Amino acid sequence: NAGVMQNPRHLVRRRGQEARLRCSPMKGHSHVYWYRQLPEEGLKFMVYLQKENIIDESGMPKERFSAEFPKEGPSILRIQQVVRGDSAAYFCASSPNSGSNTGELFFGEGSRLTVL
Amino acid sequence: GENVEQHPSTLSVQEGDSAVIKCTYSDSASNYFPWYKQELGKRPQLIIDIRSNVGEKKDQRIAVTLNKTAKHFSLHITETQPEDSAVYFCAAVEPSGGSYIPTFGRGTSLIVHP
Repeated sequence: NAGVMQNPRHLVRRRGQEARLRCSPMKGHSHVYWYRQLPEEGLKFMVYLQKENIIDESGMPKERFSAEFPKEGPSILRIQQVVRGDSAAYFCASSPNSGSNTGELFFGEGSRLTVL
Repeated sequence: GENVEQHPSTLSVQEGDSAVIKCTYSDSASNYFPWYKQELGKRPQLIIDIRSNVGEKKDQRIAVTLNKTAKHFSLHITETQPEDSAVYFCAAVEPSGGSYIPTFGRGTSLIVHP
């Protein structure tokens, strides 16, 4: 059973470009979470999605950031017009269906975004 | 929303010593408290967790304690080994309308010297 898959693992963008980060949850998981990790800081919640629905986006910046989890395909975190402050590791995590949700998250390896 | 404070930010011990990491949370509705270990450049992985109806849980060299009244919980690692060196994150989960969104502490960098 493959774990949570994230790609790209490393992404370099110049200021003003767009960054797209993809996440495929574990098989059988329908809940996806995105967290941002800055150097020397913890994991900051960004958004929680289920298939075709954004459940909680209270941690998402109001501008330039968006997320989706379509019926088919991976979840995508999109950052438009990137700035240097967006440089961070972005972790995706998944959890099982709500009926058996224990709160445990299964993390991907992360996507490290560097903005030049 | 929930707020989790974690201390210390860095902990350096000699191999064989014990290590203790402490966390506090703000929302009394939180009922699930996982601990994650993140090795350098790797993904965070769950190492142990505790629910609010339990005061202590142990798994080999690792134990967690929970004080619901004081709203704090701790991770205890005994007989530390160099491979325990990593960043450890505590988290608190408040079931909000069926959503389970862990709020993480800032992490503790544990260094075990051989």
